Amino acid sequence: QKEVEQDPGPLSVPEGAIVSLNCTYSNSAFQYFMWYRQYSRKGPELLMYTYSSGNKEDGRFTAQVDKSSKYISLFIRDSQPSDSATYLCAMRISGGYQKVTFGTGTKLQVIP
Amino acid sequence: EAGVTQFPSHSVIEKGQTVTLRCDPISGHDNLYWYRRVMGKEIKFLLHFVKESKQDESGMPNNRFLAERTGGTYSTLKVQPAELEDSGVYFCASRGTGSNEQYFGPGTRLTVT
Repeated sequence: QKEVEQDPGPLSVPEGAIVSLNCTYSNSAFQYFMWYRQYSRKGPELLMYTYSSGNKEDGRFTAQVDKSSKYISLFIRDSQPSDSATYLCAMRISGGYQKVTFGTGTKLQVIP
Repeated sequence: EAGVTQFPSHSVIEKGQTVTLRCDPISGHDNLYWYRRVMGKEIKFLLHFVKESKQDESGMPNNRFLAERTGGTYSTLKVQPAELEDSGVYFCASRGTGSNEQYFGPGTRLTVT
């Protein structure tokens, strides 16, 4: 069983839609949760970084963590064509040297 | 500020040959990571340097892979001899001390035929 499960998609939505991306994980030692965005032929870029359960908002993006259910989400409001990319959930344990464990990524396409 | 750079961007080699990938981290970043994405799979951790010292090699697949970080600056990842299953995209990331963010390079796409 993979430590992090993520639906690979692809997910296609019209411009302006609310997008919901999700991951589940099995390792209860994970304490830090991240969402990366990756454009084609580029490296992953950190979008959101959270520690505690609950919501964290940054502009059109909201990250949600539920440690009791081992479930994390990323919501994108008013989606734009420029949001079209692959979104990777990622997580790591506390301390150590910050080795990151990734999900497989969900490919998102926002249609104008 | 220049980001993480990787060279080459793409390498095509035959099975049994040797390939060396290079990563130049962001200046001043002591932490350097190598990750790999095999087609259809998730990005997986390979190893971590702090300055020139290897801190964690737990993700290295086998002894055909050798990573070095000369003088705590750039790093190289050598695959010798390459096998078909080594094909994938190799990412390098760097992180400053006290920071939580790893900055990724664009990756090197390795194709072994």
